[in-house]
Amino acid sequence: EAGVAQSPRYKIIEKRQSVAFWCNPISGHATLYWYQQILGQGPKLLIQFQNNGVVDDSQLPKDRFSAERLKGVDSTLKIQPAKLEDSAVYLCASSMRVDEQFFGPGTRLTVL
Amino acid sequence: QKEVEQNSGPLSVPEGAIASLNCTYSDRGSQSFFWYRQYSGKSPELIMSIYSNGDKEDGRFTAQLNKASQYVSLLIRDSQPSDSATYLCGNSGAGSYQLTFGKGTKLSVIP
Repeated sequence: EAGVAQSPRYKIIEKRQSVAFWCNPISGHATLYWYQQILGQGPKLLIQFQNNGVVDDSQLPKDRFSAERLKGVDSTLKIQPAKLEDSAVYLCASSMRVDEQFFGPGTRLTVL
Repeated sequence: QKEVEQNSGPLSVPEGAIASLNCTYSDRGSQSFFWYRQYSGKSPELIMSIYSNGDKEDGRFTAQLNKASQYVSLLIRDSQPSDSATYLCGNSGAGSYQLTFGKGTKLSVIP
């Protein structure tokens, strides 16, 4: 069974630039999550999708972050404009059950 | 504010010893509890889940839950150098798929 796929794996941008991350969940997983993990901290949930609907985006900085999940499968997370404090690993996860969240390899973002 | 607290470590144990990792949480409505292992530069992977008070064993791993004390722990018996990683404690509320994670405890198993 293929795991959660993410791209790119690494991204370096200047502040105020925009960036987009892509995630392809495990086939059949209806729930998809985007997490932000800053160095030395645990993952923080940014947004949760159930199929192509948003369940929770309460911790998503909506003035600069946006996310969509087209057709209930792939998802993209965008940051525009990026700030220095956005430097982090962005993790995508998917699940069928609450006790089985599978994480992708993550995208390491560096904002200079 | 739902919080999960963990000692960031590092926790160092000799090979073959028992490693004990602890976690407390603030949300009394929490129903599900999880331990994830994260190797440096890698993504988290689920190693244990526990839902009711008491102990749950899986191989060398034992999770312990005490809802009255809002406390969950992970014991690793016969620790191996390959167990060296950061261990993340997470929980979720009833019927919720949303996990709140602690900052993680870094474990080093010394050969």
